[in-house]
Amino acid sequence: EVQLLESGGGLVQPGGSLRLSCAASGFTFSTNAMSWVRQAPGKGLEWLSVISNGGGTTDYADSVKGRFIISRDNSKNTLYVQMNSLRAEDTAAYYCVKSRSGAINDGFDLWGQGTMVTVSS
Amino acid sequence: DIVMTQSPDSLAVSLGERATINCKSSQSVLYISNNKNYLAWYQQKPGQPPKLLIYWASTRESGVPDRFSGSGSGTDFTLTISSLQAEDVAVYYCQHYYSSPYTFGQGTKLEIK
Repeated sequence: EVQLLESGGGLVQPGGSLRLSCAASGFTFSTNAMSWVRQAPGKGLEWLSVISNGGGTTDYADSVKGRFIISRDNSKNTLYVQMNSLRAEDTAAYYCVKSRSGAINDGFDLWGQGTMVTVSS
Repeated sequence: DIVMTQSPDSLAVSLGERATINCKSSQSVLYISNNKNYLAWYQQKPGQPPKLLIYWASTRESGVPDRFSGSGSGTDFTLTISSLQAEDVAVYYCQHYYSSPYTFGQGTKLEIK
């Protein structure tokens, strides 16, 4: 079955760090660019970051640039995001998302179920 | 950054009737070199992640019912559901992937009248 399974979410204090993982299965992970998208409770979708299929190209939204680091391990079929200096406004469900192709600018054809991150003291 | 603005914010349509959602980008998302509009539409049902419906503004994703169609070019786009079914109740988002950041519209909530 083609799927993405996020893990690593939870409660963290402001200023803290968290690393999310996304295990991919059912497709050739190294073929596709991957992104992280988040959704605050009751709000819309916010694209955060993208990484190319080989990992050599990354890009970030201004809201997380300098605080979040996206990476991937194609040997483990896993996508990561290291989130540092977390703020209350980072509270959201975080989705791992597969691009339709290896290009970093393409539609997102597979979404994980999401993992919730809550930043609160 | 390209700003995506959807209209309306919410919409109530009778079963079997047509639903139309609009999306406007603050600058063109048409890439001249390949004549493609870098625009996608997603459907998000309550408690579920979004699902890709349309890419390249008008190409239906595999498995998506043909009552869903996308149109438009440049800065103005439309998602049309030709005959609304009960299972189409959801929030619909447009998104551009022309250049980073790949922003989404604010969403349009579709309900049954």
